[in-house]
Amino acid sequence: DQQVKQNSPSLSVQEGRISILNCDYTNSMFDYFLWYKKYPAEGPTFLISISSIKDKNEDGRFTVFLNKSAKHLSLHIVPSQPGDSAVYFCAAHTGTYKYIFGTGTRLKVLA
Amino acid sequence: SAVISQKPSRDICQRGTSLTIQCQVDSQVTMMFWYRQQPGQSLTLIATANQGSEATYESGFVIDKFPISRPNLTFSTLTVSNMSPEDSSIYLCSVVGRTSGGSEQYFGPGTRLTVT
Repeated sequence: DQQVKQNSPSLSVQEGRISILNCDYTNSMFDYFLWYKKYPAEGPTFLISISSIKDKNEDGRFTVFLNKSAKHLSLHIVPSQPGDSAVYFCAAHTGTYKYIFGTGTRLKVLA
Repeated sequence: SAVISQKPSRDICQRGTSLTIQCQVDSQVTMMFWYRQQPGQSLTLIATANQGSEATYESGFVIDKFPISRPNLTFSTLTVSNMSPEDSSIYLCSVVGRTSGGSEQYFGPGTRLTVT
């Protein structure tokens, strides 16, 4: 049972436009959500997180939105840059360090 | 955030053999984790490596197949034993670090294992 789902395996966006990556989850006990970025031959890099008591967290060009009623979170990148091209994983946990990861979305930002 | 290194970065191994992967952190950390990412799949937690005690394994993973050592607060090893092609994966270690927003896990660069 995949508790964290990223239904879009890939996404292409024009440079300067907004990238929106989506993630759905099924476990209502999750109370902390994270986004990681992964370049080839590197480990995942922490990007941004959000607690379940919030519905939005912003850090520069990156904003994460959480809709608890829909069990949905999204990552917005604006403006998108070619260096943002990578695989993005969402993850969730219930207050422990046991992270449940999605399968990732490959973002390609076109120059 | 902690700087994490892994050795080897990649390897090609024959079935039936074993490979030990090393994870080194540049600071002392209490909890270290080992993950597996099979091709096209998400990252899956194998076990939590605790210093001074046995590792805690997740469902579906056993010590005989994935023995783990944690001799000190900066180092851990994961052995993939009696390998089969299904063990071909990227193996990653991670540690907990602190940011202004809270505590997150930070990952090493991974070890890409191919079993033939």
